[in-house]
Amino acid sequence: GIQVEQSPPDLILQEGANSTLRCNFSDSVNNLQWFHQNPWGQLINLFYIPSGTKQNGRLSATTVATERYSLLYISSSQTTDSGVYFCAVVLPGNTGKLIFGQGTTLQVKP
Amino acid sequence: DTGVSQDPRHKITKRGQNVTFRCDPISEHNRLYWYRQTLGQGPEFLTYFQNEAQLEKSRLLSDRFSAERPKGSFSTLEIQRTEQGDSAMYLCASSLATGFYEQYFGPGTRLTVT
Repeated sequence: GIQVEQSPPDLILQEGANSTLRCNFSDSVNNLQWFHQNPWGQLINLFYIPSGTKQNGRLSATTVATERYSLLYISSSQTTDSGVYFCAVVLPGNTGKLIFGQGTTLQVKP
Repeated sequence: DTGVSQDPRHKITKRGQNVTFRCDPISEHNRLYWYRQTLGQGPEFLTYFQNEAQLEKSRLLSDRFSAERPKGSFSTLEIQRTEQGDSAMYLCASSLATGFYEQYFGPGTRLTVT
């Protein structure tokens, strides 16, 4: 089956720093989503980005579907950015089920 | 505009007991998904519904698990004869039909089996 690999697994930043999180996937996908999981466990939608580039405030994401990777950029990080970031993909077909990577755990220190 | 809701948020049960979780999707969404997340891992797909029809079940969904979505609205996930290995976060998500639509997640139900 498809492999979804996220890197780095852990990241510690000082407040104000920038970071790039990467998601590689081993097969063609119909859809890709980035999520932030807060300390209470809820998955917060960040981007729905099967291809191209999107920006939302300090966050932006780029997916290059032909090269099977996606990047999540966090600029001017804040302590509230801490948590686990997941990418998840949907394979071609009509089930729509998401296949998640293992996540990147981000800690932003004040 | 209410999001996906789940109830209860936390459940502690003794091994061997049955538990039932409920998920209310976003009202106009006809797809509903259940996922399970164990500590340190990403969520894993369990099953999904389109309207009231259960269209796929993962091999993770043993015979002790059953899910329903009567009338295509809310869904329930029941675990019979719980085991300690069932301890996990159970997440529900909903979307419009087809795989091209964004999924939105509820807050999850955290199950602890003692």
